[in-house]
Amino acid sequence: DAGVIQSPRHEVTEMGQEVTLRCKPISGHNSLFWYRQTMMRGLELLIYFNNNVPIDDSGMPEDRFSAKMPNASFSTLKIQPSEPRDSAVYFCASSDPGELYQETQYFGPGTRLLVL
Amino acid sequence: AQKVTQAQTEISVVEKEDVTLDCVYETRDTTYYLFWYKQPPSGELVFLIRRNSFDEQNEISGRYSWNFQKSTSSFNFTITASQVVDSAVYFCALSEGLAGNMLTFGGGTRLMVKP
Repeated sequence: DAGVIQSPRHEVTEMGQEVTLRCKPISGHNSLFWYRQTMMRGLELLIYFNNNVPIDDSGMPEDRFSAKMPNASFSTLKIQPSEPRDSAVYFCASSDPGELYQETQYFGPGTRLLVL
Repeated sequence: AQKVTQAQTEISVVEKEDVTLDCVYETRDTTYYLFWYKQPPSGELVFLIRRNSFDEQNEISGRYSWNFQKSTSSFNFTITASQVVDSAVYFCALSEGLAGNMLTFGGGTRLMVKP
């Protein structure tokens, strides 16, 4: 089975530009998560969706960040305008509804973002 | 609030040595789940194991074993006869409650296995 797919794998952009990160979850998974990983703050949950609906976005750093999930097989994380401090690895993860109560999250390969 | 502490930021061992990675967690819930993930140099996060708070049985998978002790709020991970391919950053994570989907990660332990 294909795992979580993220694109692009690497992105270099200039400050002020819009950045869009994309994620395709594992087919059949009903929860999707966006995480950010930095040296200073480690792995942080930004937002998660359940059945395409945003459930908790308390980790989204500020209004420059937005996330959407228009259907069960696609999500985007957008940063507009981007700033150098947004440089990080962004991971998408999805989880399987088939297990009682707790769902294991499976991660994509990540998008390494560098904002100059 | 939930918290995960991995006190060992970096461990270096020689191949074939056994190594234990420590994980201590804090939670107020009686139902919770603990995880270990591996992040090799290539950067992806690989799921290793999940335990729930009602199951304190230790688990062994090949050279990997996990020791879950509720009395000390610890979920330690041991690699037996380490290999160079085990070199990675290992993360312990916690999720609280029923259908609790939000993972809180520890800071990670970087394991370097030298030949």
